[in-house]
Amino acid sequence: AQSVTQLDSQVPVFEEAPVELRCNYSSSVSVYLFWYVQYPNQGLQLLLKYLSGSTLVESINGFEAEFNKSQTSFHLRKPSVHISDTAEYFCAVSEGNTGKLIFGQGTTLQVKP
Amino acid sequence: DAMVIQNPRYQVTQFGKPVTLSCSQTLNHNVMYWYQQKSSQAPKLLFHYYDKDFNNEADTPDNFQSRRPNTSFCFLDIRSPGLGDAAMYLCATREGGSDEQYFGPGTRLTVT
Repeated sequence: AQSVTQLDSQVPVFEEAPVELRCNYSSSVSVYLFWYVQYPNQGLQLLLKYLSGSTLVESINGFEAEFNKSQTSFHLRKPSVHISDTAEYFCAVSEGNTGKLIFGQGTTLQVKP
Repeated sequence: DAMVIQNPRYQVTQFGKPVTLSCSQTLNHNVMYWYQQKSSQAPKLLFHYYDKDFNNEADTPDNFQSRRPNTSFCFLDIRSPGLGDAAMYLCATREGGSDEQYFGPGTRLTVT
């Protein structure tokens, strides 16, 4: 069975500092990997995804994630965070033909001024 | 703009009183999902429809039912809500063959 582990439940960081949110997955088959962001009392928004090809994927707002097959990881990084990046971040893996998403427990990113 | 709409955004119901949550989409996607997200937890899939085919997760309680009368609408029925059913309920859609799910804003259910 597939599973996703987000290693940090909370990550406090100062504004303009770099950040890394860690995600590891387990799967016996090829996977699609996703990062979603959730602002308070809102639904999930897709941040970026890895399907195939280049292992480094980027979002429009400066986040990037690197798929590492040997380490079964898909860590999310941003070189300089903003206050507006404060949110809950979920790593997810897509399961087979159903497209079912299996989520990690989430990481709360707290950006301090 | 094409989107996934959930109504209401906040719903309060009494213990044991049936409640229905609504999801509609203008994306014309053929797959629709219902997730339950309890406080400080990850979303958990309850069931999904592929077109009219209903797929229940093995651990979804019988208390939860769903209807999809047409492509655009999907309903979540909770027959006898318990205190443990208080959660955010998220609807999502996907076009079959694609990889991305589009989420609605969610309905936060409170059970008193």
